[in-house]
Amino acid sequence: DAGVIQSPRHEVTEMGQEVTLRCKPISGHNSLFWYRQTMMRGLELLIYFNNNVPIDDSGMPEDRFSAKMPNASFSTLKIQPSEPRDSAVYFCASSPNGGKNIQYFGAGTRLSVL
Amino acid sequence: GDSVTQMEGPVTLSEEAFLTINCTYTATGYPSLFWYVQYPGEGLQLLLKATKADDKGSNKGFEATYRKETTSFHLEKGSVQVSDSAVYFCALSGLSGNTGKLIFGQGTTLQVKP
Repeated sequence: DAGVIQSPRHEVTEMGQEVTLRCKPISGHNSLFWYRQTMMRGLELLIYFNNNVPIDDSGMPEDRFSAKMPNASFSTLKIQPSEPRDSAVYFCASSPNGGKNIQYFGAGTRLSVL
Repeated sequence: GDSVTQMEGPVTLSEEAFLTINCTYTATGYPSLFWYVQYPGEGLQLLLKATKADDKGSNKGFEATYRKETTSFHLEKGSVQVSDSAVYFCALSGLSGNTGKLIFGQGTTLQVKP
């Protein structure tokens, strides 16, 4: 099993540019989670999906952020336009249903907005 | 709402010292409890878990016991190694059915010096 795969691992962009982060969950997992991690705010849940449907997006900071899950094997987190305060490590995690509640994390995407 | 509180870090220990990282929680119902570990430059990974009161989770020499009476799930290890240096997160399963959602504490950084 390849685990949760995120791309790119590192992204450097300029303020105002669109940024798209990608995630491939573990095959067979029904839930997918996007997190943001910074020194100041720690680990924050942005949004999560169950069976490709967004369940809770209350953690999405503002309208500049959007997430999609068009199918069970792919999700994107988009920031448009990006701002320097969006600089962080973004993690994707997936989880099987059935009450196990174990999440498997990707290696993360380190985003730097200049 | 449900929440997790961890002791503030960083925790700095010498090799072979005894480790305790405190974790307390607030939850309705009977959540499962988890410890995740994040090594430098990596995503979080499950360290151990306990699904009901008085259960003890253990892995790699780490232990934690689910104490319902004190709403605690403290992490312990008898003799730490330099390789244990990481950020440790306590978490509980949210009231989200079987979607796998977790509520994380703020994380505690452990530094082990040789």
